[in-house]
Amino acid sequence: QVQLQESGPGLVKPSQTLSLTCTVSGGSISSGSYYWSWIRQPAGKGLEWIGRIYTSGSTNYNPSLKSRVTISVDTSKNQFSLKLSSVTAADTAVYYCARGTQGAFDYWGQGTLVTVSS
Amino acid sequence: QSALTQPASVSGSPGQSITISCTGTSSDVGGYNYVSWYQQHPGKAPKLMIYDVSKRPSGVSNRFSGSKSGNTASLTISGLQAEDEADYYCSSYTSSSTYVFGTGTKVTVL
Repeated sequence: QVQLQESGPGLVKPSQTLSLTCTVSGGSISSGSYYWSWIRQPAGKGLEWIGRIYTSGSTNYNPSLKSRVTISVDTSKNQFSLKLSSVTAADTAVYYCARGTQGAFDYWGQGTLVTVSS
Repeated sequence: QSALTQPASVSGSPGQSITISCTGTSSDVGGYNYVSWYQQHPGKAPKLMIYDVSKRPSGVSNRFSGSKSGNTASLTISGLQAEDEADYYCSSYTSSSTYVFGTGTKVTVL
């Protein structure tokens, strides 16, 4: 059973960079034809896809966030990471990592709340 | 990319059937058979209920079914149960190799 777990600071100051890591257990991040995504959800609002990475290193990003987002993978640690620069209060949200195929996100982490505040 | 359009809320009595629509464009819902549906209970992570328009993952009740016509996808819940009360989101792959989610629908069991 694949499990994903997000980790990182719960509080980030405005204009700084938000950094989160997703650790995958129960299977190798390199096995199978899977994409690894980040998705966020502001309190009381809907889901927003941030971006994804394939284990080859190829990435796709949400156009609205593309200039500020970097997703990377470390296959030796079975982890992938998110960096979001120049954050504002609008980036306050629960951030989820998820495993995906071309058509869906089948395994999700429990989510981690990141608050942007001074 | 704009969010897919879903009704804000849908309700039904136990045992009834309800349908949630998800409207996009020819660049997302209408262009690919990569529509998925997620159930989210308060404080919990979303759970995959339907993928590739109409396929059910192992373990998901057959009371959940999906379909698509043109630029609109639909999720039907038959035999509505109290545990089905949750938020539901659709998602679609897009022509830009990205994903877009729906606006979300709150399902209430009366």
